Amino acid sequence: DSGVTQTPKHLITATGQRVTLRCSPRSGDLSVYWYQQSLDQGLQFLIQYYNGEERAKGNILERFSAQQFPDLHSELNLSSLELGDSALYFCASSVGGGTGNTIYFGEGSWLTVV
Amino acid sequence: AQKITQTQPGMFVQEKEAVTLDCTYDTSDQSYGLFWYKQPSSGEMIFLIYQGSYDEQNATEGRYSLNFQKARKSANLVISASQLGDSAMYFCAMREHNNAGNMLTFGGGTRLMVKP
Repeated sequence: DSGVTQTPKHLITATGQRVTLRCSPRSGDLSVYWYQQSLDQGLQFLIQYYNGEERAKGNILERFSAQQFPDLHSELNLSSLELGDSALYFCASSVGGGTGNTIYFGEGSWLTVV
Repeated sequence: AQKITQTQPGMFVQEKEAVTLDCTYDTSDQSYGLFWYKQPSSGEMIFLIYQGSYDEQNATEGRYSLNFQKARKSANLVISASQLGDSAMYFCAMREHNNAGNMLTFGGGTRLMVKP
């Protein structure tokens, strides 16, 4: 158990809908990362937050947004869903931003868009 | 250019034998970290081992060791005494010191299959 908690574990929804994925980082971790893993794109970095503020953006679509709350949990909002958004979405966390800080991953949220 | 390259899409290894999974990386940073993760078929991403760019000794964690060759920019994972439970996808990743953030960049992965 990495200590990173993600909900829901599985989600099936229709095209055009909106979903919210939730993440609780490891106790004491200030950085939260979101990654998308799909068969054709591999593991893609979406966005990073550090202590409530956006720190870095990767290949995140405009239909997607995220935030980190004062209690450090984070949510990833996916809207106007398309079939191609079906993927495994990971949340990860680390203590800080140093290159030596290990990033621990949650078990992922499997999203299927039908 | 690819930052992390894993050239072996799939590999077989006999149970109890050692196996090396290749990883090469590309960075102009002096300070960076290299990580290996295991992803079993259930999907979770499990941290295995870390090597810092300034570490002089190769990292080891139980049956896992990292063969770090800085001049060649390679960070191969060695698994000794393979077990059936080692069958999984393995990802090499790099974390660079970067003002914009410190996310991990992943390679394409290697699927390891352990034969009984």
